[in-house]
Amino acid sequence: GESVGLHLPTLSVQEGDNSIINCAYSNSASDYFIWYKQESGKGPQFIIDIRSNMDKRQGQRVTVLLNKTVKHLSLQIAATQPGDSAVYFCAERDQGAQKLVFGQGTRLTINP
Amino acid sequence: DARVTQTPRHKVTEMGQEVTMRCQPILGHNTVFWYRQTMMQGLELLAYFRNRAPLDDSGMPKDRFSAEMPDATLATLKIQPSEPRDSAVYFCASGSRPGSGSYNEQFFGPGTRLTVL
Repeated sequence: GESVGLHLPTLSVQEGDNSIINCAYSNSASDYFIWYKQESGKGPQFIIDIRSNMDKRQGQRVTVLLNKTVKHLSLQIAATQPGDSAVYFCAERDQGAQKLVFGQGTRLTINP
Repeated sequence: DARVTQTPRHKVTEMGQEVTMRCQPILGHNTVFWYRQTMMQGLELLAYFRNRAPLDDSGMPKDRFSAEMPDATLATLKIQPSEPRDSAVYFCASGSRPGSGSYNEQFFGPGTRLTVL
């Protein structure tokens, strides 16, 4: 069945460094992917999305890369700040469906 | 500032009691989702509605859980009777249909933290 997973459950980086969070997915019919950020005690918050007809999309300090050949998604955060500390989830959507399937999440900790 | 609201934010109850969680989606959004989050299972989709009609509730235990949308401004998730294993954070999210601007972004509420003793 569909599944979305993460390579690393935890990641610690120094403030100012770049971070990369990885995600593997198994449903080749997925056509849309989203990264969410969840801070402690809050609901997930949309960061950036990408459609399957794209390989890369950039936002403010964030870049999402999609490799459909190996079903891999990554989130790059540039010049990390203390406020980036959170759990990051990738999610995929099956083409034609509305619901998202979420991965387990990666906890990112920014060290001062 | 449009946002999804959920009440209550915290609920502690005893096993066997009925629990009702409420959600007000963002005005104009026609899709509402209910998720449950636990440490063990992560974020699980319980049910979702489009234009107030249930589209998929396969993730929801039917014997004790029920989800409804009495009107476009209110979604409810009810557990009766509640059990300790229902302890989790329950999130509501709302979204708009693809092609209507925000492709498929789901906006999450702050969640209801439920503890069943």
